[in-house]
Amino acid sequence: DADVTQTPRNRITKTGKRIMLECSQTKGHDRMYWYRQDPGLGLRLIYYSFDVKDINKGEISDGYSVSRQAQAKFSLSLESAIPNQTALYFCATSDLTGDGQPQHFGDGTRLSIL
Amino acid sequence: ELKVEQNPLFLSMQEGKNYTIYCNYSTTSDRLYWYRQDPGKSLESLFVLLSNGAVKQEGRLMASLDTKARLSTLHITAAVHDLSATYFCAGSGSARQLTFGSGTQLTVLP
Repeated sequence: DADVTQTPRNRITKTGKRIMLECSQTKGHDRMYWYRQDPGLGLRLIYYSFDVKDINKGEISDGYSVSRQAQAKFSLSLESAIPNQTALYFCATSDLTGDGQPQHFGDGTRLSIL
Repeated sequence: ELKVEQNPLFLSMQEGKNYTIYCNYSTTSDRLYWYRQDPGKSLESLFVLLSNGAVKQEGRLMASLDTKARLSTLHITAAVHDLSATYFCAGSGSARQLTFGSGTQLTVLP
């Protein structure tokens, strides 16, 4: 079983729709992150969370919101989707205490907005 | 604001050859990460470099970090086809959030 699980894996939707991408983890990590990957641009940080009460904006938070429902769950919402939000979205986790440990990534959600 | 630049963006190399991918970053980054991504897949951690002069090796890959030059390198020795993938470096901000380079798409040809 995957340690970091993203649902759905693929989603096609229309402009203006509200979309929620979900991430759950079994690693027991405190920190969770949402990234977006576009071709040729690498990954860019959307939001990150250190615990349930600590949410922070990343580089490209406009048009997105997040909710940390529990230590293990971190969801990303697009309130009114637009075509340029078409991308591959990754959730990641890291351990607060394990210095030098890498972030662990989910398998990604491929989102297409028509 | 941390910026990370990788080069080259595309690299085709023949099996058995050596090559180096370069990763420059703009401001202080207290750790440097290398990841591998296969097409349509997630990111797999390769190395975490914590300090100046750090060198780590795994198989045909060796990563190093020079914090004074703000440079990390990923050296590939005697490339094989299985190394074909996209390689990302990433710097770490104060909150351990990652700033990624654009990636190097490596193709190893027979």
